[in-house]
Amino acid sequence: GESVGLHLPTLSVQEGDNSIINCAYSNSASDYFIWYKQESGKGPQFIIDIRSNMDKRQGQRVTVLLNKTVKHLSLQIAATQPGDSAVYFCAETYTGRRALTFGSGTRLQVQP
Amino acid sequence: DTAVSQTPKYLVTQMGNDKSIKCEQNLGHDTMYWYKQDSKKFLKIMFSYNNKELIINETVPNRFSPKSPDKAHLNLHINSLELGDSAVYFCASSPKQGQPQHFGDGTRLSIL
Repeated sequence: GESVGLHLPTLSVQEGDNSIINCAYSNSASDYFIWYKQESGKGPQFIIDIRSNMDKRQGQRVTVLLNKTVKHLSLQIAATQPGDSAVYFCAETYTGRRALTFGSGTRLQVQP
Repeated sequence: DTAVSQTPKYLVTQMGNDKSIKCEQNLGHDTMYWYKQDSKKFLKIMFSYNNKELIINETVPNRFSPKSPDKAHLNLHINSLELGDSAVYFCASSPKQGQPQHFGDGTRLSIL
């Protein structure tokens, strides 16, 4: 069956460093991917998305990289700040599917 | 001005009771969802409605009954609550099916 997973359950970085959060997926039909950020006591918040016809997309301080060959997705956060501390989820879907499948999440801890 | 609002935020009740959670979105979205997040932060889709029509029912026990009186509201009623129902329930909405979802802040359900 399809699955979306993350390599590291917890990532600890120093403030100002760059962070990289990884995600592996198994469904080769997946063609749309989203990263969400969930702060304590809040719902997941959309960060950035990417379609399978792209391999890189940049936002403000964030970059998503997609490697379809190895079914791998990463989220890069530049100059990580304390406010970036949260749980990050990748989610995937494919054309025709009406829902997202979420990965298990990575907790990002930013040390001052 | 909350985009997706759900009530109550906390719900503590005894096993066997019946309870409801309400959700409203003011984004004009066509599609709404209910997710369950367990203690390990795993997010799983339960239901999805598109323009008041049920389009996803992901093997959820029939003790859970969603109701969508209009496309801005999706309520969740749970009968005969069990200990395993303890979780955080998130409502979400998206403009169309398969598009990025906006989440509410969750309802933390605790069964005693």
